[in-house]
Amino acid sequence: DIVMTQSPDSLAVSLGERATVNCKSSQSILNSFNNKNYLAWYQQKPGQPPKLLVYWASTRESGVPDRFSGSGSGTDFTLTINSLQAEDVAVYSCQQYYSVPLTFGGGTKVEIK
Amino acid sequence: QVQLQESGPGLVKPSQTLSLTCTVSGGSITSGTYYWSWIRQPAGKGLEWIGRIYTSGSIDYNPSLKSRVTISEDTSKNQFSLRLGSVTAADTAVYYCASSIAARPAVFDYWGQGTLVTVSS
Repeated sequence: DIVMTQSPDSLAVSLGERATVNCKSSQSILNSFNNKNYLAWYQQKPGQPPKLLVYWASTRESGVPDRFSGSGSGTDFTLTINSLQAEDVAVYSCQQYYSVPLTFGGGTKVEIK
Repeated sequence: QVQLQESGPGLVKPSQTLSLTCTVSGGSITSGTYYWSWIRQPAGKGLEWIGRIYTSGSIDYNPSLKSRVTISEDTSKNQFSLRLGSVTAADTAVYYCASSIAARPAVFDYWGQGTLVTVSS
């Protein structure tokens, strides 16, 4: 199984500042044939199901604000939230879809400082 | 737009079988356009993929649960189901059903609201 490790477990950021969430896979999730990284990011607010934000490591899902951006390749990935808004308070999780079983990171809780 | 709704008992006794159903609207489970998954989340913990059904009943399971899990479909009701046998307290979690479009068969676009299943005597 590919293990996904996120850091930090939680972080507090001031409104309008940048939040950075890291995700590391135990093996490369870059497909050399299509040069795509098989990584997605989700946002989960309390009492709600996860919401897809980013796939292919850096492609924003339709309707997701452009302050959310994904980057990275191979085994190291980052979700950046520029100019944090109050409604961005949530747990953010990464997921690899390079191989079955599909696996998720443990989540990073983003709060307002 | 696809909508999913989980249903089933909220309390299951240890050693018994957990059974949940996901009712799909806005899309056909037989269309081949979507993959249909079960995912769970223990309180305060991360998400765990259980398995998926797609393309005329093809199924993938998480090996960690494979010996206890069955995923099936009822095409007449546009539903798919989860059965998890020999449950213990460790199976207490919110269970979600989710869909993925065939072009991105392992990215979860739509989710049900989730249903809490507690394993307790």
